[in-house]
Amino acid sequence: KNEVEQSPQNLTAQEGEFITINCSYSVGISALHWLQQHPGGGIVSLFMLSSGKKKHGRLIATINIQEKHSSLHITASHPRDSAVYICAVSRVDQFYFGTGTSLTVIP
Amino acid sequence: DAGVTQSPTHLIKTRGQQVTLRCSPKSGHDTVSWYQQALGQGPQFIFQYYEEEERQRGNFPDRFSGHQFPNYSSELNVNALLLGDSALYLCASSLMTAPGANVLTFGAGSRLTVL
Repeated sequence: KNEVEQSPQNLTAQEGEFITINCSYSVGISALHWLQQHPGGGIVSLFMLSSGKKKHGRLIATINIQEKHSSLHITASHPRDSAVYICAVSRVDQFYFGTGTSLTVIP
Repeated sequence: DAGVTQSPTHLIKTRGQQVTLRCSPKSGHDTVSWYQQALGQGPQFIFQYYEEEERQRGNFPDRFSGHQFPNYSSELNVNALLLGDSALYLCASSLMTAPGANVLTFGAGSRLTVL
């Protein structure tokens, strides 16, 4: 069993839709990270959070420490949001990654 | 301020060969971690180097080895390549001491194809 589970694995949405990606983890963590990976491989850190909620533009990340669960929301989705979104958790010295959610936003 | 740079970006090898991948960390970072990402999968932790020593290791065989140099750059070596070693190899750097310990900066990766 993976330490980090994401759902859904694949997601297709129409432009403008509200999108939610979920992440559950089973280990104690220092922080949870949402990462974005575009075709070609480069990974960009979107959020790092250890409690509550963070917002950046159309992206919102929430975490519930008691339930060991986090969600990434995208409001008013756009085709340029198409990418793989990866949830990862960190302890002091190691990271654990989910398998990613592949998002395709259709114009 | 250069981010993490990796080389080469793409390479093709045949089974049984050996490969060396290189990584220069982000300026100011002292820790380098290596990850293997197979197609359709999330990154899998290979190992982490700090102060020129391997500090943590994931579930990878001894064919995977590494090195960190005094300037914090790092190499990943894979011997006796197998078809299953084909993947994107990602390098990430960080600063060992908090609060930088939780902040990873990734390189663009080296895509290895084993034929």
